[in-house]
Amino acid sequence: KAGVTQTPRYLIKTRGQQVTLSCSPISGHRSVSWYQQTPGQGLQFLFEYFSETQRNKGNFPGRFSGRQFSNSRSEMNVSTLELGDSALYLCASSLELQGDNYGYTFGSGTRLTVV
Amino acid sequence: AQTVTQSQPEMSVQEAETVTLSCTYDTSESDYYLFWYKQPPSRQMILVIRQEAYKQQNATENRFSVNFQKAAKSFSLKISDSQLGDAAMYFCAYRSRGRDKIIFGKGTRLHILP
Repeated sequence: KAGVTQTPRYLIKTRGQQVTLSCSPISGHRSVSWYQQTPGQGLQFLFEYFSETQRNKGNFPGRFSGRQFSNSRSEMNVSTLELGDSALYLCASSLELQGDNYGYTFGSGTRLTVV
Repeated sequence: AQTVTQSQPEMSVQEAETVTLSCTYDTSESDYYLFWYKQPPSRQMILVIRQEAYKQQNATENRFSVNFQKAAKSFSLKISDSQLGDAAMYFCAYRSRGRDKIIFGKGTRLHILP
Protein backbone atom coordinates (compact mmCIF):
# COMPACT_ATOMS: atom_id res chain seq x y z
CA LYS A 1 0.00 0.00 0.00
CA ALA A 2 1.58 3.27 -1.10
CA GLY A 3 2.12 5.92 1.57
CA VAL A 4 1.59 9.64 1.41
CA THR A 5 3.61 11.08 -1.44
CA GLN A 6 4.84 14.65 -1.44
CA THR A 7 6.54 16.33 -4.34
CA PRO A 8 8.99 17.83 -4.75
CA ARG A 9 11.23 16.83 -1.85
CA TYR A 10 13.38 19.93 -2.08
CA LEU A 11 12.73 23.34 -3.51
CA ILE A 12 14.72 26.55 -3.65
CA LYS A 13 12.88 29.73 -4.52
CA THR A 14 13.60 33.43 -4.56
CA ARG A 15 11.78 35.99 -2.46
CA GLY A 16 8.65 37.21 -4.20
CA GLN A 17 8.13 34.06 -6.23
CA GLN A 18 5.30 31.63 -5.73
CA VAL A 19 5.42 27.90 -5.18
CA THR A 20 3.06 24.94 -5.42
CA LEU A 21 3.53 21.80 -3.38
CA SER A 22 1.74 18.55 -4.06
CA CYS A 23 0.46 15.76 -1.84
CA SER A 24 -1.05 12.43 -2.82
CA PRO A 25 -2.76 10.75 0.15
CA ILE A 26 -3.09 7.08 0.85
CA SER A 27 -5.76 5.52 -1.30
CA GLY A 28 -9.11 5.78 0.46
CA HIS A 29 -8.08 8.65 2.73
CA ARG A 30 -10.26 11.65 2.14
CA SER A 31 -8.77 13.99 4.71
CA VAL A 32 -5.55 15.82 3.89
CA SER A 33 -3.84 18.23 6.29
CA TRP A 34 -0.86 20.49 5.81
CA TYR A 35 1.65 21.54 8.44
CA GLN A 36 4.62 23.87 8.44
CA GLN A 37 7.57 22.74 10.54
CA THR A 38 10.35 25.10 11.61
CA PRO A 39 12.93 24.78 14.40
CA GLY A 40 11.57 27.83 16.19
CA GLN A 41 7.81 27.35 15.87
CA GLY A 42 7.57 23.59 15.69
CA LEU A 43 4.64 22.10 13.81
CA GLN A 44 2.01 24.62 12.85
CA PHE A 45 -1.28 23.72 11.24
CA LEU A 46 -1.97 25.30 7.87
CA PHE A 47 -5.25 23.78 6.69
CA GLU A 48 -7.23 20.60 6.27
CA TYR A 49 -9.29 19.44 3.33
CA PHE A 50 -11.96 16.80 3.29
CA SER A 51 -13.78 15.77 0.14
CA GLU A 52 -12.55 18.85 -1.73
CA THR A 53 -13.72 21.26 0.98
CA GLN A 54 -11.54 23.18 3.37
CA ARG A 55 -12.64 21.95 6.77
CA ASN A 56 -10.17 23.75 9.04
CA LYS A 57 -7.74 26.59 8.65
CA GLY A 58 -4.79 27.70 10.73
CA ASN A 59 -3.53 31.20 11.43
CA PHE A 60 -1.51 31.83 8.32
CA PRO A 61 -1.75 34.82 5.98
CA GLY A 62 -3.77 34.65 2.81
CA ARG A 63 -0.59 34.05 0.83
CA PHE A 64 -0.97 30.43 1.87
CA SER A 65 -3.75 28.62 0.07
CA GLY A 66 -4.66 25.10 -0.81
CA ARG A 67 -7.09 22.92 -2.63
CA GLN A 68 -8.10 19.32 -2.94
CA PHE A 69 -9.11 17.48 -6.06
CA SER A 70 -11.77 14.85 -6.56
CA ASN A 71 -9.16 12.09 -6.27
CA SER A 72 -8.19 13.52 -2.84
CA ARG A 73 -4.82 14.77 -4.04
CA SER A 74 -4.04 18.14 -2.56
CA GLU A 75 -1.90 21.11 -3.44
CA MET A 76 -0.80 24.04 -1.40
CA ASN A 77 0.35 27.31 -2.85
CA VAL A 78 2.42 30.06 -1.31
CA SER A 79 2.53 33.34 -3.16
CA THR A 80 4.96 36.23 -2.74
CA LEU A 81 7.45 34.13 -0.86
CA GLU A 82 9.27 35.56 2.14
CA LEU A 83 12.47 34.38 3.78
CA GLY A 84 10.42 33.28 6.79
CA ASP A 85 8.52 30.79 4.65
CA SER A 86 11.59 28.57 4.58
CA ALA A 87 10.46 25.40 6.31
CA LEU A 88 9.60 21.75 5.99
CA TYR A 89 6.04 21.41 4.74
CA LEU A 90 4.36 18.21 5.79
CA CYS A 91 1.22 16.70 4.40
CA ALA A 92 -0.80 14.11 6.29
CA SER A 93 -3.78 12.02 5.31
CA SER A 94 -6.20 10.21 7.53
CA LEU A 95 -8.91 7.63 7.34
CA GLU A 96 -12.17 8.58 8.96
CA LEU A 97 -14.91 6.05 9.41
CA GLN A 98 -18.18 7.00 11.03
CA GLY A 99 -16.56 9.99 12.66
CA ASP A 100 -13.69 8.02 14.16
CA ASN A 101 -10.14 9.03 13.34
CA TYR A 102 -7.45 6.39 13.00
CA GLY A 103 -4.42 8.64 13.13
CA TYR A 104 -2.59 10.56 10.51
CA THR A 105 -0.05 9.23 8.04
CA PHE A 106 2.54 11.77 7.04
CA GLY A 107 4.54 12.20 3.90
CA SER A 108 8.28 12.85 3.90
CA GLY A 109 7.73 16.54 3.42
CA THR A 110 8.92 19.22 1.05
CA ARG A 111 11.89 21.23 2.22
CA LEU A 112 11.37 24.78 0.93
CA THR A 113 14.24 27.24 1.04
CA VAL A 114 13.59 30.86 0.17
CA VAL A 115 16.66 32.91 -0.74
CA ALA B 1 -7.81 26.54 23.18
CA GLN B 2 -6.14 23.20 23.58
CA THR B 3 -2.41 23.06 24.25
CA VAL B 4 0.14 20.28 24.41
CA THR B 5 3.29 20.61 26.51
CA GLN B 6 6.41 18.51 26.38
CA SER B 7 8.66 19.72 29.15
CA GLN B 8 11.77 17.76 28.16
CA PRO B 9 13.42 19.22 25.04
CA GLU B 10 16.08 16.50 25.06
CA MET B 11 16.66 13.18 26.75
CA SER B 12 19.28 10.46 26.61
CA VAL B 13 19.03 6.81 27.49
CA GLN B 14 21.41 3.89 27.41
CA GLU B 15 20.70 1.23 24.83
CA ALA B 16 18.49 -1.56 26.24
CA GLU B 17 17.27 0.67 29.08
CA THR B 18 13.79 2.10 29.58
CA VAL B 19 12.92 5.75 29.11
CA THR B 20 9.75 7.76 29.69
CA LEU B 21 8.83 10.87 27.75
CA SER B 22 6.40 13.28 29.39
CA CYS B 23 3.45 15.07 27.88
CA THR B 24 0.69 17.12 29.41
CA TYR B 25 -2.21 18.74 27.65
CA ASP B 26 -4.97 21.15 28.39
CA THR B 27 -8.51 20.75 27.15
CA SER B 28 -12.07 21.23 28.32
CA GLU B 29 -13.31 18.41 26.12
CA SER B 30 -13.99 14.90 27.32
CA ASP B 31 -13.69 12.96 24.08
CA TYR B 32 -10.48 13.16 22.13
CA TYR B 33 -7.48 11.30 20.79
CA LEU B 34 -3.87 11.45 21.88
CA PHE B 35 -0.93 10.39 19.77
CA TRP B 36 2.79 9.94 19.94
CA TYR B 37 4.67 10.51 16.70
CA LYS B 38 8.31 9.80 15.98
CA GLN B 39 10.35 11.85 13.52
CA PRO B 40 13.77 10.34 12.75
CA PRO B 41 16.43 12.24 10.78
CA SER B 42 14.76 11.02 7.60
CA ARG B 43 12.05 13.54 8.71
CA GLN B 44 9.12 11.22 8.05
CA MET B 45 6.63 11.47 10.91
CA ILE B 46 5.65 8.00 12.05
CA LEU B 47 2.67 7.22 14.26
CA VAL B 48 3.94 5.34 17.30
CA ILE B 49 0.82 4.95 19.37
CA ARG B 50 -2.76 6.18 19.57
CA GLN B 51 -5.02 6.51 22.59
CA GLU B 52 -8.73 7.20 22.68
CA ALA B 53 -9.68 9.27 25.70
CA TYR B 54 -12.79 7.27 26.55
CA LYS B 55 -10.77 4.07 26.82
CA GLN B 56 -9.34 3.54 30.28
CA GLN B 57 -6.86 0.94 29.15
CA ASN B 58 -3.43 2.26 28.24
CA ALA B 59 -2.42 1.65 24.64
CA THR B 60 0.57 -0.58 23.93
CA GLU B 61 2.51 -1.25 20.74
CA ASN B 62 5.33 -3.73 21.24
CA ARG B 63 8.07 -1.91 23.20
CA PHE B 64 6.04 1.30 23.34
CA SER B 65 3.37 1.93 25.95
CA VAL B 66 1.62 4.93 27.38
CA ASN B 67 0.53 6.00 30.81
CA PHE B 68 -2.69 7.89 30.22
CA GLN B 69 -3.97 9.83 33.22
CA LYS B 70 -7.11 11.58 32.03
CA ALA B 71 -7.84 13.49 35.21
CA ALA B 72 -4.28 14.78 35.38
CA LYS B 73 -4.25 15.40 31.60
CA SER B 74 -1.02 13.50 31.30
CA PHE B 75 0.06 11.19 28.50
CA SER B 76 3.57 9.83 28.88
CA LEU B 77 5.33 7.43 26.52
CA LYS B 78 7.47 4.60 27.83
CA ILE B 79 10.00 2.96 25.56
CA SER B 80 11.33 -0.34 26.86
CA ASP B 81 14.54 -2.01 25.73
CA SER B 82 15.66 1.13 23.88
CA GLN B 83 17.30 0.54 20.52
CA LEU B 84 19.56 2.74 18.42
CA GLY B 85 16.77 3.05 15.88
CA ASP B 86 14.60 4.73 18.50
CA ALA B 87 16.74 7.86 18.29
CA ALA B 88 14.43 10.56 16.96
CA MET B 89 12.30 13.55 17.78
CA TYR B 90 9.12 12.49 19.55
CA PHE B 91 5.97 14.57 19.36
CA CYS B 92 2.94 14.29 21.56
CA ALA B 93 -0.28 15.32 19.83
CA TYR B 94 -3.93 15.95 20.63
CA ARG B 95 -7.04 15.92 18.50
CA SER B 96 -10.62 16.32 19.57
CA ARG B 97 -13.12 13.76 18.34
CA GLY B 98 -14.80 16.49 16.40
CA ARG B 99 -13.41 17.33 13.02
CA ASP B 100 -10.49 19.39 14.18
CA LYS B 101 -6.79 19.79 13.59
CA ILE B 102 -4.07 17.90 15.42
CA ILE B 103 -2.19 20.01 17.94
CA PHE B 104 1.44 19.06 18.48
CA GLY B 105 3.81 19.63 21.36
CA LYS B 106 7.25 21.11 20.71
CA GLY B 107 8.85 17.69 20.77
CA THR B 108 11.47 15.79 22.76
CA ARG B 109 14.70 14.79 21.09
CA LEU B 110 15.70 11.33 22.26
CA HIS B 111 19.31 10.18 22.06
CA ILE B 112 20.22 6.51 22.45
CA LEU B 113 23.68 5.91 23.89
CA PRO B 114 25.42 2.71 22.76
